[in-house]
Amino acid sequence: RKEVEQDPGPFNVPEGATVAFNCTYSNSASQSFFWYRQDCRKEPKLLMSVYSSGNEDGRFTAQLNRASQYISLLIRDSKLSDSATYLCVVNKGNTPLVFGKGTRLSVIA
Amino acid sequence: EAEVAQSPRYKITEKSQAVAFWCDPISGHATLYWYRQILGQGPELLVQFQDESVVDDSQLPKDRFSAERLKGVDSTLKIQPAELGDSAMYLCASSLVGQGYEQYFGPGTRLTVT
Repeated sequence: RKEVEQDPGPFNVPEGATVAFNCTYSNSASQSFFWYRQDCRKEPKLLMSVYSSGNEDGRFTAQLNRASQYISLLIRDSKLSDSATYLCVVNKGNTPLVFGKGTRLSVIA
Repeated sequence: EAEVAQSPRYKITEKSQAVAFWCDPISGHATLYWYRQILGQGPELLVQFQDESVVDDSQLPKDRFSAERLKGVDSTLKIQPAELGDSAMYLCASSLVGQGYEQYFGPGTRLTVT
């Protein structure tokens, strides 16, 4: 089982739709969780950290389920500008961050 | 807003040639990372520095890759000799201290080996 697994997509959704991505991780001792966004041919940028209690930032909500070892990202009211690849990132203590392959989202007008 | 600088942005080289990439992290960031990202994959760590010391280079192909951060500030990643399979995006990132802190990525160097 890979350390971090994501559905590669693509997810093609109309503007205004709600879309959710899941990511599973294999190391139960993982401590830190992040979602990064990467536009085509650009560098990854931190979208949000994922806290145990879940967190929300505008239209974006991240949740962590330690028992099932998955994290999720929910995007409400999708915008064209949300089109990108979303990378799930996990780490344990001082070990290197492990990136998933990413889930590609295309928001269509 | 402070940014991670990388150069060159693009590099085309023939196999067996040597290439070098440069990175200048955000001022004050003690931790510097070099990643390789193949198209359709997530970034994979090549080497991590804490100040001038290598913390993790377990995934660095040491027969052809080398990295240094002599003064604990900017860093150079070298490949010699380059192989066709080295074609990828090479990303540099920095963070304040350690892995738990968010990492800021530079724009990357896209390497094509012909």
